[in-house]
Amino acid sequence: GESVGLHLPTLSVQEGDNSIINCAYSNSASDYFIWYKQESGKGPQFIIDIRSNMDKRQGQRVTVLLNKTVKHLSLQIAATQPGDSAVYFCAENKDFGNEKLTFGTGTRLTIIP
Amino acid sequence: GAGVSQSPSNKVTEKGKDVELRCDPISGHTALYWYRQRLGQGLEFLIYFQGNSAPDKSGLPSDRFSAERTGESVSTLTIQRTQQEDSAVYLCASSSDRADEKLFFGSGTQLSVL
Repeated sequence: GESVGLHLPTLSVQEGDNSIINCAYSNSASDYFIWYKQESGKGPQFIIDIRSNMDKRQGQRVTVLLNKTVKHLSLQIAATQPGDSAVYFCAENKDFGNEKLTFGTGTRLTIIP
Repeated sequence: GAGVSQSPSNKVTEKGKDVELRCDPISGHTALYWYRQRLGQGLEFLIYFQGNSAPDKSGLPSDRFSAERTGESVSTLTIQRTQQEDSAVYLCASSSDRADEKLFFGSGTQLSVL
């Protein structure tokens, strides 16, 4: 069936380095993708999104890349900080107009001081 | 309040009992979502309310699960005859009806069924 999955369940990065979190999706009908950050004991927090008509979008210290050919999504975090330690989820949306999302399993990012 | 509020934050119940989980969305948000998050997993969509339209219940796992929403305010998720596999964090989120408006999540209710 259709699913959103992640390549790596855990990732450790030295503070100040850049990190890349990857995500594979299988539903070619999805047209909207979002990255969420979830800290322990909290709900997911929106980081950045991208529509299928784009291949790159940048925010503050974060960049999302979308490769529709291989159905791959990545989140790049530049100059990582201890506060970036969290679980990161990618999610896809097939129904434009609502936020009925399909989430991946998540990647735990740990920033090493 | 400033954000989505959920109560209780933790709920421990015995197998077979009914539970009610509450969500107070951000004021003015017309859309409200319930998701379930099992330990170490991503979020599973349960149900979606949009204004006065009929809710989208396509994610509810069984008829033991139901949810209600009063107007564009409080929502209650009810699980009847709880089972151990219902143990999870139940997350509520809301958004406005503006295009591209993002979801704002509450901190969730951790449900443990013994």
